[in-house]
Amino acid sequence: ILNVEQSPQSLHVQEGDSTNFTCSFPSSNFYALHWYRWETAKSPEALFVMTLNGDEKKKGRISATLNTKEGYSYLYIKGSQPEDSATYLCAFPDPNTGNQFYFGTGTSLTVIP
Amino acid sequence: DAGVTQSPTHLIKTRGQHVTLRCSPISGHKSVSWYQQVLGQGPQFIFQYYEKEERGRGNFPDRFSARQFPNYSSELNVNALLLGDSALYLCASSRFSGTRTDTQYFGPGTRLTVL
Repeated sequence: ILNVEQSPQSLHVQEGDSTNFTCSFPSSNFYALHWYRWETAKSPEALFVMTLNGDEKKKGRISATLNTKEGYSYLYIKGSQPEDSATYLCAFPDPNTGNQFYFGTGTSLTVIP
Repeated sequence: DAGVTQSPTHLIKTRGQHVTLRCSPISGHKSVSWYQQVLGQGPQFIFQYYEKEERGRGNFPDRFSARQFPNYSSELNVNALLLGDSALYLCASSRFSGTRTDTQYFGPGTRLTVL
């Protein structure tokens, strides 16, 4: 079992604030890291697949960075909006088989209007 | 294009019963994975099937079984239900198996309550 940790567990921010949270994963034998957004009563939605050390990916106001040497990825949201309220999950594919994804417990973001 | 669909949406069972959950993947996707998500935790991997063959199994008891059909849809079966099986069961489809960069697309889940 691989350890994937996310912090903080939950976050409340005001509309317009920028925020960021962390996903930590095993730094050895890295292949990829996936980020998902999961809104209440909906399906988890894929955001990014991070593969290269130093990678930075962007989707609108959301961006993610990757440090494979130290085993962490940051997700940033610029100018948070109420519609950004969701749980953000990271998932680390099993480096040996690739079949099993290990998920963190998620960061629950609430954006207060 | 239709996304991943799961049925039923909600289910209430009593201890000792068995349950069958169903999943239809995105058209063209040959791999289906099943996850269990309990409150406060991230999804936990149960099974992956690809081309009707089991390609991965998580740390779940033998009461859990699954299969994949020729049309790539899948069923998850749980026998002798326990209270601890109460959870959201998520199905995810992807094009391939074992490619760590391949995105998994999730369905909305089946909420199972065991009384």
